[in-house]
Amino acid sequence: AQSVSQHNHHVILSEAASLELGCNYSYGGTVNLFWYVQYPGQHLQLLLKYFSGDPLVKGIKGFEAEFIKSKFSFNLRKPSVQWSDTAEYFCAVNSNTGNQFYFGTGTSLTVIP
Amino acid sequence: NAGVTQTPKFQVLKTGQSMTLQCAQDMNHEYMSWYRQDPGMGLRLIHYSVGAGITDQGEVPNGYNVSRSTTEDFPLRLLSAAPSQTSVYFCASSPSGGWHGYTFGSGTRLTVV
Repeated sequence: AQSVSQHNHHVILSEAASLELGCNYSYGGTVNLFWYVQYPGQHLQLLLKYFSGDPLVKGIKGFEAEFIKSKFSFNLRKPSVQWSDTAEYFCAVNSNTGNQFYFGTGTSLTVIP
Repeated sequence: NAGVTQTPKFQVLKTGQSMTLQCAQDMNHEYMSWYRQDPGMGLRLIHYSVGAGITDQGEVPNGYNVSRSTTEDFPLRLLSAAPSQTSVYFCASSPSGGWHGYTFGSGTRLTVV
């Protein structure tokens, strides 16, 4: 079975700091990769996704992620965070041939004004 | 375009009671899933469906039933509620093909006392 690891459980940053959240997955085949964001009290929203092509993908709100196949990683980055980025971030993966999505346990980001 | 609609938003049950969480989508998506979200555990898949009449178990199916009689609806039934089922439940849907990513409903917060 596939699995997704997010090693940063809780991150606290000051506004304007740079962000990088780690995500590693275990699956040997072709995968689709996703980052979701959940603002307090809200449902999950898609930030960005990778399924083929350029391994550096750009999403909404200035977020980007880089797929490094050799490291089984899909880290999320943002050059300068804002207070409004305070949320929980989930990495997810599914295989090209599978129907199930596997989510990481999430990283809670707190941005201090 | 309503997307994925979940009802109710909040529910309190007594141990042993049964109930159905409703989920409907108006995007003609083939894939639908139910997840539960618990602190520190991320999202765990309960049941999923790849089309009308087809359902399968996910990671934590015990105590839950599903059916998919139409493309639009995917209700989740709690057979005999237990305090361990206190959680936030999310329904999600996706077109066929894993690379689309899921669209999530707004969630149902369930407390079992």
